[in-house]
Amino acid sequence: DGGITQSPKYLFRKEGQNVTLSCEQNLNHDAMYWYRQDPGQGLRLIYYSQIVNDFQKGDIAEGYSVSREKKESFPLTVTSAQKNPTAFYLCASSISGIPTQYFGPGTRLTVL
Amino acid sequence: AQSVTQPDIHITVSEGASLELRCNYSYGATPYLFWYVQSPGQGLQLLLKYFSGDTLVQGIKGFEAEFKRSQSSFNLRKPSVHWSDAAEYFCAVGGSGGSYIPTFGRGTSLIVHP
Repeated sequence: DGGITQSPKYLFRKEGQNVTLSCEQNLNHDAMYWYRQDPGQGLRLIYYSQIVNDFQKGDIAEGYSVSREKKESFPLTVTSAQKNPTAFYLCASSISGIPTQYFGPGTRLTVL
Repeated sequence: AQSVTQPDIHITVSEGASLELRCNYSYGATPYLFWYVQSPGQGLQLLLKYFSGDTLVQGIKGFEAEFKRSQSSFNLRKPSVHWSDAAEYFCAVGGSGGSYIPTFGRGTSLIVHP
């Protein structure tokens, strides 16, 4: 079955550590996205990529970094510069130019 | 700029009752409109979408939504709610071309009483 996988489902990090969240899709979609979700705030766009080896900042990119070396993969690194990283992170993908997004199951990151 | 307003943060209904979740949008051209559902600790699942054509759209799980251009609304409805419908519901608006990345509302939490 085609879909999006995110791992791990739960992640714990100590302050000052970088951590990388995985996102893989086998939908053959060109575009991929990372969102952050906090209670009562909906979804906020962190980064997006429309094609391999290219990506753009979203609304809240500070303290995050991404790479897009393969079409299927779009990992997100939460760096120590992110002041409040505890949140639920969602990865999504779409056909390029079409706004219908398909989401992964999410990763809950907790900073201890 | 595109935007979405979901005026109700929480909605409580009894099982078997009808449901309507409100969504108002702002968009300069003909919008693409979506409703997603999210169960606790899960990702978002697409319920239905409107791109063009018939303004009454049928989705999965017995949901439907009606696009009303004059009211800039895209309300989600279900004639009889089941306890398993309890979840967070998100409305989103997007377009083709440069503004294709959708903007999401803040969500409406649906509580279902037995």
